[in-house]
Amino acid sequence: EDQVTQSPEALRLQEGESSSLNCSYTVSGLRGLFWYRQDPGKGPEFLFTLYSAGEEKEKERLKATLTKKESFLHITAPKPEDSATYLCAVQVSGTNAGKSTFGDGTTLTVKP
Amino acid sequence: DAGVIQSPRHEVTEMGQEVTLRCKPISGHDYLFWYRQTMMRGLELLIYFNNNVPIDDSGMPEDRFSAKMPNASFSTLKIQPSEPRDSAVYFCASSLREADTQYFGPGTRLTVL
Repeated sequence: EDQVTQSPEALRLQEGESSSLNCSYTVSGLRGLFWYRQDPGKGPEFLFTLYSAGEEKEKERLKATLTKKESFLHITAPKPEDSATYLCAVQVSGTNAGKSTFGDGTTLTVKP
Repeated sequence: DAGVIQSPRHEVTEMGQEVTLRCKPISGHDYLFWYRQTMMRGLELLIYFNNNVPIDDSGMPEDRFSAKMPNASFSTLKIQPSEPRDSAVYFCASSLREADTQYFGPGTRLTVL
């Protein structure tokens, strides 16, 4: 069974204090790994897609990386507006290739 | 495009009543997904459609739940009869292709008393 585990469950940072969120996965045939941001009372919002080990994507203060077993979301010099829950999801090859399995998320709080 | 549209945004009902949630996907997207989100279980996939055809409904919790997609621009998720444990936020999402980015609607917060 496909599994996605995110850590830590919650992370509190001071503004400007860089850190990383982890998403480890156990799947048979990764087709893509997705990072989403979710603000309270809203639906998840797409951030990045990674397809193969070694791939990296960047957007403003966020950088996502992928290995064969895990993905990291690095946050450089975060600001209070980066506070949100960050979700990762995997899609696999095969019969249910359209189906995403989500992790439970990391709730990030950035204090000014 | 206006994005994925869901209605109602909030629904409060009493146990035993029928509840119908509605979704309009992004135009041109071939895939539509229904999710349920709770604190205890996180974001769970209930069912997804490809070109209006249900592909995988293994996440539908029980026979009280049903979903339809009569055309490419409309889908419903129905709960009959509703129970307090069905209280959750229900999201609809759509994607252009298989294994593609999913775009989520704002969700429907369902409370069953």
